[in-house]
Amino acid sequence: SQQGEEDPQALSIQEGENATMNCSYKTSINNLQWYRQNSGRGLVHLILIRSNEREKHSGRLRVTLDTSKKSSSLLITASRAADTASYFCACEDSNYQLIWGAGTKLIIKP
Amino acid sequence: EAQVTQNPRYLITVTGKKLTVTCSQNMNHEYMSWYRQDPGLGLRQIYYSMNVEVTDKGDVPEGYKVSRKEKRNFPLILESPSPNQTSLYFCASSLSWGGRANEQFFGPGTRLTVL
Repeated sequence: SQQGEEDPQALSIQEGENATMNCSYKTSINNLQWYRQNSGRGLVHLILIRSNEREKHSGRLRVTLDTSKKSSSLLITASRAADTASYFCACEDSNYQLIWGAGTKLIIKP
Repeated sequence: EAQVTQNPRYLITVTGKKLTVTCSQNMNHEYMSWYRQDPGLGLRQIYYSMNVEVTDKGDVPEGYKVSRKEKRNFPLILESPSPNQTSLYFCASSLSWGGRANEQFFGPGTRLTVL
């Protein structure tokens, strides 16, 4: 069953702007991961945030987690054309299984 | 180079003709899984394996079989493919399960069309 739900489904911004994507989930999780997928290719792991963490950074990526609202956000700062991709959240449930959302398609316009 | 490989990358077949998609990883990962990706539905897990000779059904196992005879290989078998199995398939592996060990490494994908 799907647990992670990304929002928005699609996002188009100008190069240099910040992009924010959100992920909501329904049950308790051990951690939440974000992945990137370039068109038709395999997913690449970006960042993992544990359920006891509130914020995490990796380069131009910033992830927040609000367990009370059962939501997470991924912020990409100073976007580049190469950031054009689909972004997925994956929630690890109590059985260590990953439940995936449908993804946010991000387009960076030059 | 650490990687997950899948073959074939593209396959067009006809209904009922048995096929196998191979998956191999060279990272000594314990956990392997198969996903299918369809537009608007995200990734749905077909089967997973926590170790050699241990396999379990995911969310959409109907019409698929897997085996894990060796740690590095996890083939996906479609005994009698049907058009509704037309999809993009991904194999993934991770060091183990739970926490950081659950970070998935994905293969490049296999685009399957069943006529």
